[in-house]
Amino acid sequence: DTAVSQTPKYLVTQMGNDKSIKCEQNLGHDTMYWYKQDSKKFLKIMFSYNNKELIINETVPNRFSPKSPDKAHLNLHINSLELGDSAVYFCASSQTSGGTDTQYFGPGTRLTVL
Amino acid sequence: GQNIDQPTEMTATEGAIVQINCTYQTSGFNGLFWYQQHAGEAPTFLSYNVLDGLEEKGRFSSFLSRSKGYSYLLLKELQMKDSASYLCAVIDSNYQLIWGAGTKLIIKP
Repeated sequence: DTAVSQTPKYLVTQMGNDKSIKCEQNLGHDTMYWYKQDSKKFLKIMFSYNNKELIINETVPNRFSPKSPDKAHLNLHINSLELGDSAVYFCASSQTSGGTDTQYFGPGTRLTVL
Repeated sequence: GQNIDQPTEMTATEGAIVQINCTYQTSGFNGLFWYQQHAGEAPTFLSYNVLDGLEEKGRFSSFLSRSKGYSYLLLKELQMKDSASYLCAVIDSNYQLIWGAGTKLIIKP
């Protein structure tokens, strides 16, 4: 059984388009995250939700909008895609938002903007 | 500012031992994680240290010195499958996880 799943795994699109990435976890965790990993392999936190509520919102363009319909799902919608958005996006979850819990990562979505 | 330093890349030989260092300057400290990330895959949990000392887990051990802002990951009896990036991450005073850029470990036969 996949603990944290993301779709799609690969996404190739044109500049200016709008796209969504979906994430689901079946671990019963309360907290979910979105990370961006660029070509230099640096993992940067974008958002964190705890029980459907936003708790971390780093300096991310407002073209990025997370949505959490329930605590098992955290989707990421991106408007007006730009070349610099090309990266791998990882979803993760942890038992609580306390920070000391292990985070479990999804397989990643490789986004390429042309 | 918050900073985590790791070597960018290291090379080691199959069967040998390698130590990957991580130094950190963060606003507070509430623990340190090591994650492994194979190319094209997601990071996976290796270890968590919050007290000083060495934690051993099979071929992998992780050491922490809070006074020195220093940790290392020790990998013994290296196998080809250990070729991966190793990410150090520190929990700061706000319980946020600050990630290092990772160390790419190349294992040669």
